[in-house]
Amino acid sequence: DAEITQSPRHKITETGRQVTLACHQTWNHNNMFWYRQDLGHGLRLIHYSYGVHDTNKGEVSDGYSVSRSNTEDLPLTLESAASSQTSVYFCASSDSSPQETQYFGPGTRLLVL
Amino acid sequence: AQSVTQPDIHITVSEGASLELRCNYSYGATPYLFWYVQSPGQGLQLLLKYFSGDTLVQGIKGFEAEFKRSQSSFNLRKPSVHWSDAAEYFCAVGEDSGYALNFGKGTSLLVTP
Repeated sequence: DAEITQSPRHKITETGRQVTLACHQTWNHNNMFWYRQDLGHGLRLIHYSYGVHDTNKGEVSDGYSVSRSNTEDLPLTLESAASSQTSVYFCASSDSSPQETQYFGPGTRLLVL
Repeated sequence: AQSVTQPDIHITVSEGASLELRCNYSYGATPYLFWYVQSPGQGLQLLLKYFSGDTLVQGIKGFEAEFKRSQSSFNLRKPSVHWSDAAEYFCAVGEDSGYALNFGKGTSLLVTP
């Protein structure tokens, strides 16, 4: 069955370190998204991609970057981790239509000390 | 600006009672509307979606939602709640100009015996 996976599931890091969160989908979807989930804020869009070599900034993109070198993967990099980036991160993917369902990964819980 | 509002942060219902979770949106055109559910420690799962046609849509797990354009609402309902329905519920809106979703802040549902 097609799926979307995230790794690691839990991560503890220190401020100032670079961190990369992996997202891999086997749906063959063109669209991929990264969200962060914080209490009282719901899910907020960080970055998204509509295809290979396409990346776009979302609502809360400062301090984050993504690159899309193939269809299956959209890694999220925190260039210099900050305590404000402690959060739960979700990756999602969807097919190329606004009506299509976004399928979510299980999430990565990141703690920045 | 686009916005999605879920007025109720927490809702408590008794098992077997009916449920209605509210969602209001602010969009210029006809939006694409989604309800997702998140069980503790899990990713998000689609319950149902609306993009055209019959304004009453049926979803999984016995949920339904009704699109009311005049009220800019897409409320989620269930006639009889089960203890396993305890979770976080998110309303989300998309539109023709892109594939990213705008999420509400969520409603946490507690089911009492």
